[in-house]
Amino acid sequence: EDQVTQSPEALRLQEGESSSLNCSYTVSGLRGLFWYRQDPGKGPEFLFTLYSAGEEKEKERLKATLTKKESFLHITAPKPEDSATYLCAVQGVRGSNYKLTFGKGTLLTVNP
Amino acid sequence: EPEVTQTPSHQVTQMGQEVILRCVPISNHLYFYWYRQILGQKVEFLVSFYNNEISEKSEIFDDQFSVERPDGSNFTLKIRSTKLEDSAMYFCASSRVPPSYNSPLHFGNGTRLTVT
Repeated sequence: EDQVTQSPEALRLQEGESSSLNCSYTVSGLRGLFWYRQDPGKGPEFLFTLYSAGEEKEKERLKATLTKKESFLHITAPKPEDSATYLCAVQGVRGSNYKLTFGKGTLLTVNP
Repeated sequence: EPEVTQTPSHQVTQMGQEVILRCVPISNHLYFYWYRQILGQKVEFLVSFYNNEISEKSEIFDDQFSVERPDGSNFTLKIRSTKLEDSAMYFCASSRVPPSYNSPLHFGNGTRLTVT
């Protein structure tokens, strides 16, 4: 069964203080790893898809990287508007074509 | 940008009552999903739907649950006899192709279901 563990559970940063969020996964062959942002009371908002180890994707202050066992979401010089819960989800080669398995997320708070 | 819309945003019901949660997926998407998130827990898969039939369901999706696409735009989740443990945020999602083709799911903002 696919498993996703995210750390830390919560992270508090000062504006401009760069950091990284971790997503460790166990799958029987990775089809895709997805990063989402979730604001309070809202649905997950798609950020990135990563397919293979070594791949990197960037969007504004966010950069996602992927190894064979984990993914990192690097946040460079964060702003208060980056405060949200960041979710990681995977889909493995064996098993479902349709189901994403999510981690519990990292709650990021950026203080001004 | 097109988005998935869900109604109502909040539904309160009594235990044993039937509820229907409604979703309008993105118009050119063919695959539809329901996920739920119990407060403080992970987002978890319930069911996927394609070509007017269920393509996959989780062990959570028992006989109390059903899904339907009653017309060309709506996608519904029905819970026949709600239990207290059904209280959660229910998210509808859609995609052009399945996530196995590395297509992201696009989620709505959810319906918060409270069973009393």
